[in-house]
Amino acid sequence: KAGVTQTPRYLIKTRGQQVTLSCSPISGHRSVSWYQQTPGQGLQFLFEYFSETQRNKGNFPGRFSGRQFSNSRSEMNVSTLELGDSALYLCASSLYGQVRETQYFGPGTRLLVL
Amino acid sequence: AQSVTQPDIHITVSEGASLELRCNYSYGATPYLFWYVQSPGQGLQLLLKYFSGDTLVQGIKGFEAEFKRSQSSFNLRKPSVHWSDAAEYFCAVATGMKTSYDKVIFGPGTSLSVIP
Repeated sequence: KAGVTQTPRYLIKTRGQQVTLSCSPISGHRSVSWYQQTPGQGLQFLFEYFSETQRNKGNFPGRFSGRQFSNSRSEMNVSTLELGDSALYLCASSLYGQVRETQYFGPGTRLLVL
Repeated sequence: AQSVTQPDIHITVSEGASLELRCNYSYGATPYLFWYVQSPGQGLQLLLKYFSGDTLVQGIKGFEAEFKRSQSSFNLRKPSVHWSDAAEYFCAVATGMKTSYDKVIFGPGTSLSVIP
């Protein structure tokens, strides 16, 4: 069974631009969660999607948004990029949720904002 | 608010030696606890989790963790460390009451180096 895939793996943007990251979960998984990892703040929960609905959200500004498609693939979007958005963005999938079931993480997308 | 602390930012051990990584949590109700490992260039992998029952939990790769409610701790242990165990280790706690709607909060991580 293929694991969680994230595209692109690396990305360089400039301040003010917007970016879209993609995550393809393990086949059959309906929950997709997104995390931001930085040296200063560590791993922070962004949001979780289940059956195309956002059902949980972390403490991030509205510039961070996401969506999930009917095939469970998910995208996250960051608008008006700031230098502080430079981070590794991790996506994780699970059958029904990030607590009861095991989450499987993708390799991440490393975003650099210049 | 729920939180997780890992007192040791970095630990170095010799190969073959025992290992204990500390984790303390702050949570008012029964916690749901996890340990994850992140190897260089790879995503996170779940080592083990505690939901209820036996307070000593066995995980993958020879790791185990013990939940101590009185100390609010969930320390990770391994009797004999291998060079391939060098990685970043994250303790995490789940909020809420074990529903699919809860989220996982991660600690700051402990970086493990292994000396051959």
